[in-house]
Amino acid sequence: NAGVMQNPRHLVRRRGQEARLRCSPMKGHSHVYWYRQLPEEGLKFMVYLQKENIIDESGMPKERFSAEFPKEGPSILRIQQVVRGDSAAYFCASSPFQGDEQFFGPGTRLTVL
Amino acid sequence: GEDVEQSLFLSVREGDSSVINCTYTDSSSTYLYWYKQEPGAGLQLLTYIFSNMDMKQDQRLTVLLNKKDKHLSLRIADTQTGDSAIYFCAENSSGDKLTFGTGTRLAVRP
Repeated sequence: NAGVMQNPRHLVRRRGQEARLRCSPMKGHSHVYWYRQLPEEGLKFMVYLQKENIIDESGMPKERFSAEFPKEGPSILRIQQVVRGDSAAYFCASSPFQGDEQFFGPGTRLTVL
Repeated sequence: GEDVEQSLFLSVREGDSSVINCTYTDSSSTYLYWYKQEPGAGLQLLTYIFSNMDMKQDQRLTVLLNKKDKHLSLRIADTQTGDSAIYFCAENSSGDKLTFGTGTRLAVRP
């Protein structure tokens, strides 16, 4: 059973471009969580999704950030018009049920030039 | 809101025990977790404890929970160089999201 997969592992964007981060949960997991880790900090919750639904987006910035988890395919975290402050590691986690153990992917490290 | 705090850095000698401490503010936490993060890698769940337990032991790892003081600790016995990493405590009081501490960087010196 493959773990949580994220791609790309590293992403470089110039200011103003768009970044798309992908997360494939573990097989059988329908709950996906996105976290952001700024340099030298802990992880901060961004958004929690189930298939086709956003359950909790209390940690998402109000502008430029969006997330989806379609019926088919991976979950996508999309950042429009990136700024230098978006540079961070973005981690995805999945769980089989709400409140259950979350399994983390290896992360996508976004660098904005 | 929830807040989780940890000391930033701990240095121990190989073979000694390491104790990493964490305090949290939300008394409604149901589970408390310890994660390990090696450089450039994701998070690996080391162990967790249910909030109605005081202690949990798993091989070299011992977790102690003082619910009254909202204090959690992770003891690593016989610390090895491979234990060098950042250790995060986390709690899930809201059920669907984890609140992480700032992480404790453990350095193991020979």
